[in-house]
Amino acid sequence: KNQVEQSPQSLIILEGKNCTLQCNYTVSPFSNLRWYKQDTGRGPVSLTIMTFSENTKSNGRYTATLDADTKQSSLHITASQLSDSASYICVVSGGSTLGRLYFGRGTQLTVWP
Amino acid sequence: DADVTQTPRNRITKTGKRIMLECSQTKGHDRMYWYRQDPGLGLRLIYYSFDVKDINKGEISDGYSVSRQAQAKFSLSLESAIPNQTALYFCATSDPDRDATGELFFGEGSRLTVL
Repeated sequence: KNQVEQSPQSLIILEGKNCTLQCNYTVSPFSNLRWYKQDTGRGPVSLTIMTFSENTKSNGRYTATLDADTKQSSLHITASQLSDSASYICVVSGGSTLGRLYFGRGTQLTVWP
Repeated sequence: DADVTQTPRNRITKTGKRIMLECSQTKGHDRMYWYRQDPGLGLRLIYYSFDVKDINKGEISDGYSVSRQAQAKFSLSLESAIPNQTALYFCATSDPDRDATGELFFGEGSRLTVL
């Protein structure tokens, strides 16, 4: 069964600290993996996309990694800011239906001052 | 102005009422989607449309219907609302011809409460 699991479900950190969010998937065949950020009361916005051949990609203070062998991805946030408080959603494209998307349930990150 | 606009943003209604959520986009994308988001469950696909003449059911289409009035407009209807349809609803668009990775562009959401 094609699934996307995210951990932890929620996370609280202090401003300035680093954190890492995890995404494990069983989707096969795999096409790509995208991380979205969803601020409270807003729609999700894409942060970064990882394709099969990519191991690491950075977008400012956000760094995503992908291990296609173990089917794991992580999103590392460096020097967290209050504005990083949001839900982070992992979405995997793949499976037997072209373009099918599989959503994780998200990790709710809260950054405290 | 937002590229994907949803109306209404908030709606409270009673069981049995007919509700329509509207979505319009200025991105020029052919593909449009309706998702439902519940706490702890993530986003689930209700219906999607690849062009004006193409409508497809998603994973949770029961109790919902849609209309694609134009390339830019995609409406979601609840013919007879029930309390377990209380949720946050998102419209999204994509354009695989310009971006094969399938990035979704979401609206701001419509919060629906059914009493």
